[in-house]
Amino acid sequence: TQLLEQSPQFLSIQEGENLTVYCNSSSVFSSLQWYRQEPGEGPVLLVTVVTGGEVKKLKRLTFQFGDARKDSSLHITAAQPGDTGLYLCAGAWANDMRFGAGTRLTVKP
Amino acid sequence: NAGVMQNPRHLVRRRGQEARLRCSPVKGHSHVYWYRQLPEEGLKFMVYLQKENIIDESGMPKERFSAEFPKEGPSILRIQQVVRGDSAAYFCASSPRVRATNEKLFFGSGTQLSVL
Repeated sequence: TQLLEQSPQFLSIQEGENLTVYCNSSSVFSSLQWYRQEPGEGPVLLVTVVTGGEVKKLKRLTFQFGDARKDSSLHITAAQPGDTGLYLCAGAWANDMRFGAGTRLTVKP
Repeated sequence: NAGVMQNPRHLVRRRGQEARLRCSPVKGHSHVYWYRQLPEEGLKFMVYLQKENIIDESGMPKERFSAEFPKEGPSILRIQQVVRGDSAAYFCASSPRVRATNEKLFFGSGTQLSVL
């Protein structure tokens, strides 16, 4: 079983729609990070959330860290084809960063 | 201001051969991490190195796999006697300091290893 469970695994929507993807764990994390990965490239950090209940906005992306620091969500408003990619959440665990399996988002024009 | 450079981008090996994957971190970064990614999966931690030292290799198979980060030159992930199950994308990331809870990792573009 994954330490970090991401849902949905796949999501295909039309341009202009809103969406939310989730990252859940039974463990408490001191922080969670969200990365976006495009085909053939490495992940790129989008945001780090540290405080329980924290909300961070990055243009049309809104990230929230659960009050208990076990889960996080990413909401995208008015999705664009350029948002297409694999969205990965990651949490610091002992000496390494543990990643979820990701949500593969496709935004159709 | 180059980012993390990995080479080769694609590597094809036959079963039993050796694979050497190279990673040059961001200039000034002394901490390197290797991850493995299978299709439709996230990144699995393999090893964390600081210059000339292996800090954590708990994610790396004990046999056939080794990693180094010499004082001079790139970090190398070495896979001996490759098998088909080693086929995957291998990503390297670097950071400027000791891992902290909100540290930023800079990733390379990965090496896609295909074992025939």
